[in-house]
Amino acid sequence: NAGVMQNPRHLVRRRGQEARLRCSPMKGHSHVYWYRQLPEEGLKFMVYLQKENIIDESGMPKERFSAEFPKEGPSILRIQQVVRGDSAAYFCASSLRQGADEKLFFGSGTQLSVL
Amino acid sequence: SQQGEEDPQALSIQEGENATMNCSYKTSINNLQWYRQNSGRGLVHLILIRSNEREKHSGRLRVTLDTSKKSSSLLITASRAADTASYFCATDAPPYSNSGGSNYKLTFGKGTLLTVNP
Repeated sequence: NAGVMQNPRHLVRRRGQEARLRCSPMKGHSHVYWYRQLPEEGLKFMVYLQKENIIDESGMPKERFSAEFPKEGPSILRIQQVVRGDSAAYFCASSLRQGADEKLFFGSGTQLSVL
Repeated sequence: SQQGEEDPQALSIQEGENATMNCSYKTSINNLQWYRQNSGRGLVHLILIRSNEREKHSGRLRVTLDTSKKSSSLLITASRAADTASYFCATDAPPYSNSGGSNYKLTFGKGTLLTVNP
């Protein structure tokens, strides 16, 4: 049973380009979460999605960032017109259910570098 | 200071010694979790302790929780070189769902970098 798969592992973009980060949850998991880790910082929650629904996007920047989890295929975190401050590690996590003691399984992350 | 703040920031010990890391938080919580992150990798869940629990064990790991002091500690006994990693505590944030807690909006600290020298 493969874990949470993220790709690419490393992504380099120039300022103004678009970045698309992909996340395939663990098999059977329908809850997906995106977190961002800035250098020297802890992870910060961005968004929680279920299939075709955004449940909680309270951690997402209001502009340029969007996320989706379509009925088929991986979850996508999209960053338009990237800026240097977007350089960070972006982690995806998934869970089987949603509840107080439900464990989140994290992927290995995508390291985004904006030149 | 932020919710879920670990100390020390860095800890270097010899193999076989015990390592203790602390975490402090500000708001009330439903549970507290500890994660490990090897360099360049994702987080691995180590242990979860509920707010009504005081101590929990898992193999060489021992976690304590003091809700009156809003603090937790992670003890790794008989450390090994393979334990070298960053360790993060994470707390869930209110408001809680009707199911008794909402665990996905975790607040992580900056972590403790543990180096175990062979």
